[in-house]
Amino acid sequence: DAGITQSPRHKVTETGTPVTLRCHQTENHRYMYWYRQDPGHGLRLIHYSYGVKDTDKGEVSDGYSVSRSKTEDFLLTLESATSSQTSVYFCAISERTSGRALAGELFFGEGSRLTVL
Amino acid sequence: GENVEQHPSTLSVQEGDSAVIKCTYSDSASNYFPWYKQELGKGPQLIIDIRSNVGEKKDQRIAVTLNKTAKHFSLHITETQPEDSAVYFCAARETGTASKLTFGTGTRLQVTL
Repeated sequence: DAGITQSPRHKVTETGTPVTLRCHQTENHRYMYWYRQDPGHGLRLIHYSYGVKDTDKGEVSDGYSVSRSKTEDFLLTLESATSSQTSVYFCAISERTSGRALAGELFFGEGSRLTVL
Repeated sequence: GENVEQHPSTLSVQEGDSAVIKCTYSDSASNYFPWYKQELGKGPQLIIDIRSNVGEKKDQRIAVTLNKTAKHFSLHITETQPEDSAVYFCAARETGTASKLTFGTGTRLQVTL
């Protein structure tokens, strides 16, 4: 299994509070991603990173920010959580390899379940 | 951006039967189409993928077909087993998008005894 650790795995918080989810990898992969998974929507990309301090928005980035100060850590922050951000959040990593040039297989973490009351 | 549609949303088959899941994509520039399997309580895991220069790929009981003209691709599982029960996601990646994948909405496959 790819070395990806998400924390916390479960969190319940109240509307308006800040929340930070952490993704830690031990694979030294260049690319890191945050997805959210919701019934009927599949997996939707929130933000991604293509290197230290290099990040970009995905399709559902409103209300979220990210930071990557080290290769191994990618943080997702909800500045002021809302009930619509109740979801399961997945971190993923990828890297181009000689065997999968330009393919970039994604390796996912176990997910973080966030409930906003 | 890319849009991926996936059908059916749920699929129930008897053990030993075949299962087929279909996806369509919107962007003709997409060139990479992976399939992920998600077991309960876990993150998705890649099971097979296909690139736009190939029409079909097979790996034991799993196969994927791609029709670039029609912009659709399908996952075929033969001789299904109870351990195939899971949620399956198709995805598509646009050329030059740093491995960003657009996922379908998922198919919950139930293999009954």
